Parts: sequence; C-alpha cells; structure tokens
Amino acid sequence: EPEVTQTPSHQVTQMGQEVILRCVPISNHLYFYWYRQILGQKVEFLVSFYNNEISEKSEIFDDQFSVERPDGSNFTLKIRSTKLEDSAMYFCASNLPPSGEENEKLFFGSGTQLSVL
Amino acid sequence: SQQGEEDPQALSIQEGENATMNCSYKTSINNLQWYRQNSGRGLVHLILIRSNEREKHSGRLRVTLDTSKKSSSLLITASRAADTASYFCATEASGTYKYIFGTGTRLKVLA
Repeated sequence: EPEVTQTPSHQVTQMGQEVILRCVPISNHLYFYWYRQILGQKVEFLVSFYNNEISEKSEIFDDQFSVERPDGSNFTLKIRSTKLEDSAMYFCASNLPPSGEENEKLFFGSGTQLSVL
Repeated sequence: SQQGEEDPQALSIQEGENATMNCSYKTSINNLQWYRQNSGRGLVHLILIRSNEREKHSGRLRVTLDTSKKSSSLLITASRAADTASYFCATEASGTYKYIFGTGTRLKVLA
C-alpha cells in the first residue's frame, strides 16, 4: 500500500536554529497537511496546502513557519528560528480532493520527533 | 471545549469487552472520522461518517453521529489486546480542508 514518508525520524536542534522537516506524500494525492503532537497529547493542525498554496493555517502557524513543495514529490515544513516549545512530533499527511469517501481519508507519515534544546 | 473533544481520556477494559468512546465538536461538519494511533506512531484512518448519516459499521467498529448534539461515538466490540492504542476523532468543517483532531482516548485492553 502506498505510504507517506517523512525524514528524518528524529531531529535535534539548538534553540534559534532553522530546521526543515521533509515529507513525500502519496504520489497521486493533491492535498498536503502538517500536524504536530506534543508528548502524545492532542494532534494539532498546522497547515493545509493545495495547488502550491496554503489553503488553511492555524494560529500556531505564525511567521516562523513556512511550507513548500519544491518539486513534484517533496513537501517541506520549515521553522526559521526554533523555540523550546516547538519540540513535538510533526506529522505530514495527504489525501485526494473529496470526491468519495476514500478520497477524504488522511494518510499520515510516521512523524519527525523534533527536540529543541 | 475544543473542537473534537473525546471522552473518556483513558479507558481500561478486559479483552472481550466492548469499548465506547465519545467525541464532541462545535461547528457544522461535512464528515467525522475516527483514527487510531499506536504509541508514538502515525495516525491510521478507521472509519468515516458523513453528516447525513446516523450510524455506520465496519467490522468490529460501529460509529454513530448525532449532528443535533454535535457528538459521535465509536464502539469497538469484542476488544482484543491489539486494540490498545489512542483513538482520535477528526472533523472537517464544511467547505474547508482543515481536519481538526480531538484530544484522544487512550484505550488499554487487558489480556
């Protein structure tokens, strides 16, 4: 079964440094998402992306965050100047445009655990 | 309360028993989905129910939706130790591509 892949699985960085989290969504999917989860708690929506632009973003997704689809396969989340509170598991997800139940399922990657020291 | 809050937060049952989890939400929705997360891993889709449906079954899963009360329940029948995981509901507000997850229910099934 096709899957969403995320790299790296773990990222350790110093406060104030920039990090880029990478995702390869399922190849025929058109909607891409980033979520984060702190210590196994609530899964928080960050941003959705379609047709090379942001569709929706949350209050968490401030100017320190950006997303990009630099080529036909990768989808990246950049945090410009990391803070201690950015430490979390970051999940990428993708799906198809809604035209039937199957298309609305979100497919998640295994996540990148970001630790900001 | 937050969009998509589950209760209970944690549930511990014996193998073979049924597990029921509830989800409440605040806004109008297109659909409501339930996901499962094994410890520290990605979420896996379980079942989707549309806003015009009231009940849906898939294997040992039964989902209900009450749009007047803005609530849903997930029933897992004849639970197994392998069902031990966290379960989240997710809602998509009408006209958006923004799936909001709840706080989750941690289910532990004891063998």
